[in-house]
Amino acid sequence: NAGVTQTPKFRILKIGQSMTLQCTQDMNHNYMYWYRQDPGMGLKLIYYSVGAGITDKGEVPNGYNVSRSTTEDFPLRLELAAPSQTSVYFCASSPRSKLYGYTFGSGTRLTVV
Amino acid sequence: AQSVTQLGSHVSVSEGALVLLRCNYSSSVPPYLFWYVQYPNQGLQLLLKYTSAATLVKGINGFEAEFKKSETSFHLTKPSAHMSDAAEYFCAVSEDTGNQFYFGTGTSLTVIP
Repeated sequence: NAGVTQTPKFRILKIGQSMTLQCTQDMNHNYMYWYRQDPGMGLKLIYYSVGAGITDKGEVPNGYNVSRSTTEDFPLRLELAAPSQTSVYFCASSPRSKLYGYTFGSGTRLTVV
Repeated sequence: AQSVTQLGSHVSVSEGALVLLRCNYSSSVPPYLFWYVQYPNQGLQLLLKYTSAATLVKGINGFEAEFKKSETSFHLTKPSAHMSDAAEYFCAVSEDTGNQFYFGTGTSLTVIP
């Protein structure tokens, strides 16, 4: 079972560049999430989706965009990358709300220089 | 908004000693409470969860946690530490309504041989 797959694992961006972090899950989960993890700060929710075609902002959405055209995929788009977006990004999914806990991907380590 | 406090960003124990990782939350209603473990360069894995059933919850790898409403705590324990327990541990809380989990800042556990 693949679970939640994130690509790429590592990326270095220059200030002002754009990129898309890919996330796909094969568990038919309705709920998907994007978090960023910064040292000593825990995880902060960027965006989440409760199903195909439905997305909503989390705690720290500025500078990011998402889309959910299929149940499986939930890409995160960074426009005009800034050094403050240097972080580790995790995608997660759950089958029905949060009662079952999340399945996390292995993360994307992004550095903006 | 919910908040989660993990006391002690770094905890060191000797192999075979008791592990105690502290988590306190702020909530006026019974929440959902989770503990996750993160090994180096990996995503988070669900360790155990409390969802208003038994107050003493058993998880994987010999860990358990007790929900104490009067103390708004959900501390994680393991009777005897093993070298393989060295990792980062995150406490997360969510209320019955809403889709967001709030994560603590994490506790890094070191096991000394």
